[in-house]
Amino acid sequence: DAKTTQPPSMDCAEGRAANLPCNHSTISGNEYVYWYRQIHSQGPQYIIHGLKNNETNEMASLIITEDRKSSTLILPHATLRDTAVYYCIVRPRNQAGTALIFGKGTTLSVSS
Amino acid sequence: EAQVTQNPRYLITVTGKKLTVTCSQNMNHEYMSWYRQDPGLGLRQIYYSMNVEVTDKGDVPEGYKVSRKEKRNFPLILESPSPNQTSLYFCASSYAGNQPQHFGDGTRLSIL
Repeated sequence: DAKTTQPPSMDCAEGRAANLPCNHSTISGNEYVYWYRQIHSQGPQYIIHGLKNNETNEMASLIITEDRKSSTLILPHATLRDTAVYYCIVRPRNQAGTALIFGKGTTLSVSS
Repeated sequence: EAQVTQNPRYLITVTGKKLTVTCSQNMNHEYMSWYRQDPGLGLRQIYYSMNVEVTDKGDVPEGYKVSRKEKRNFPLILESPSPNQTSLYFCASSYAGNQPQHFGDGTRLSIL
């Protein structure tokens, strides 16, 4: 069973920030939050991950609440090419080899 | 360019005819993995490999074989394909089993 809950779909206007929420209320202390996305039927693409501090890279920012029970992926200036299914995944740091558990994700639709 | 390459991208074949889907990565990654993606079921791990000559079953290994004779290659073998193996397959790799994974573009198999 997926350990995360995400809204099934979201819309965003091109150029605006897209804020995708994820609930992971049962997360444990050694588990990271990962975000991947899948554009149409292409291979999933890694976006960002974090443990407890907020993280930022060239693609997105990840905001994790202080209690770690939820997080938000922020795409600061969404474009049409960001239309995809976004997956929030919780994964233990020390369980090498275990599968990434992709839930149903959030389908983000960016429109002009 | 860092990439995971799968071949073929598309294949239509018949029940019982052995086939191999190749996967190669050029990032010197130790960890490689195979997933299948089916509507309503998401991505499920078939097999993974922590390093050369080290392979292990994922969640849905029945009907598949793998080998890891070289670090860069991780072929998926269907000895006697059946229609229930019709699916979209992804190969992934990472530096180690608990690091972000890079995915190939996918192989769409149709077994008639």
